[in-house]
Amino acid sequence: EDKVVQSPLSLVVHEGDTVTLNCSYEVTNFRSLLWYKQEKKAPTFLFMLTSSGIEKKSGRLSSILDKKELFSILNITATQTGDSAVYLCANSGIIQGAQKLVFGQGTRLTINP
Amino acid sequence: DGGITQSPKYLFRKEGQNVTLSCEQNLNHDAMYWYRQDPGQGLRLIYYSQIVNDFQKGDIAEGYSVSREKKESFPLTVTSAQKNPTAFYLCASSSRFGNQPQHFGDGTRLSIL
Repeated sequence: EDKVVQSPLSLVVHEGDTVTLNCSYEVTNFRSLLWYKQEKKAPTFLFMLTSSGIEKKSGRLSSILDKKELFSILNITATQTGDSAVYLCANSGIIQGAQKLVFGQGTRLTINP
Repeated sequence: DGGITQSPKYLFRKEGQNVTLSCEQNLNHDAMYWYRQDPGQGLRLIYYSQIVNDFQKGDIAEGYSVSREKKESFPLTVTSAQKNPTAFYLCASSSRFGNQPQHFGDGTRLSIL
């Protein structure tokens, strides 16, 4: 059974700190690894990673994939209160021609002022 | 603006009642998906559809039904056979071709009266 595990499940830090969120996966069908941010409603897309060792960056957020060790990390530097959210990691595979996402449990990040 | 609209935002179901959740998209995406999210858990796939008049069961399809009569619309019915329907339901869509991320609606929160 495909499995995606995120750690930690919950993290509380002070504004300005740097955080690293982890995602490991065991899947039979890998196409890409995705990160989403979920505040209260819709998960919003952050990154899609398909190749090992290539960092994707957007402002203070960055992410990298290691396909040999089967994990990805999401880094957030100089955190702000607006970064408080649940961060979801998902494996994207192809099943019978359709894209299928398998999600981890999410990491709840709280940034205190 | 293109996007995914889910309605209603909140829904209450009585015992033995079927309820239908609406999902409409104007992104011109072929593929649409329904997920269920429970507290402290990631998203789990209920049903997905790649083209009009075709859909497949996901990992937790029991007690749910869908239809795909139009490209823009993918309604989900939660039937009385679903014994634990209280959850947050998210609809997503994506392009069927290439390796593209799924985009999500704002969700419907379903509770039992």
